[in-house]
Amino acid sequence: QLQLQESGPGLVKPSETLSLTCTVSDGSMRSSSYYWGWIRQPPGKGLECIGIIYYSGSTYYSPSLKSRLTISVDTSKNQFSLRLKSVTATDTAVYFCARGRTTGTLNWDYWGQGTLVTVSS
Amino acid sequence: EIVLTQSPGTLSLSPGERATLSCRASQSVSSSYLAWYQQKPGQAPRLLIYGASSRATGIPDRFSGSGSGTDFTLTISRLEPEDFAVYYCQQYVTSPRTFGQGTKVEIK
Repeated sequence: QLQLQESGPGLVKPSETLSLTCTVSDGSMRSSSYYWGWIRQPPGKGLECIGIIYYSGSTYYSPSLKSRLTISVDTSKNQFSLRLKSVTATDTAVYFCARGRTTGTLNWDYWGQGTLVTVSS
Repeated sequence: EIVLTQSPGTLSLSPGERATLSCRASQSVSSSYLAWYQQKPGQAPRLLIYGASSRATGIPDRFSGSGSGTDFTLTISRLEPEDFAVYYCQQYVTSPRTFGQGTKVEIK
């Protein structure tokens, strides 16, 4: 059973950089059958897909975050990462990493458990 | 950006009843690239329906999806206790992929 696990600080100060890593338990990051993404959910609110990285290395970022967000992949470590600069309280959320399929459902099929990141001084 | 509006915000029903959830898009979702996810408290979302009407692997047949264009529906034919949760629609025809704001199905 595939597992995704987010890791990173649970508390970040305003204006600093939020960095999270997602570790994937199998070798599926080396396959073009999948893409990888980050979805966040502010406390008590809905879901927002903030960024996706494809096997080719191309990325998609939410327009509202594009200037602050970078997603990268390290296939040698079965990991992908998120860096969000200049955070404010509005970036407080549970951050999920997820795997998407490029065939079949074309949707997110495996998710991490999510990690709460609080932006506060 | 395609905006998805879900209704109602909350649905109060009893086990065994039928639930009908609506998702309306601000513009046509071509090829029915519309999915439904279920989320329970403290958990990640789970894919229920993709392509507007195809059930994902392992999803019981009491869940069904329908619709096209701008109007989509998720129906739960007979609510089981484990079905009380929040349901989100999501379009994946354009970037950014967007979710609806969710419908909470609660026990009456």
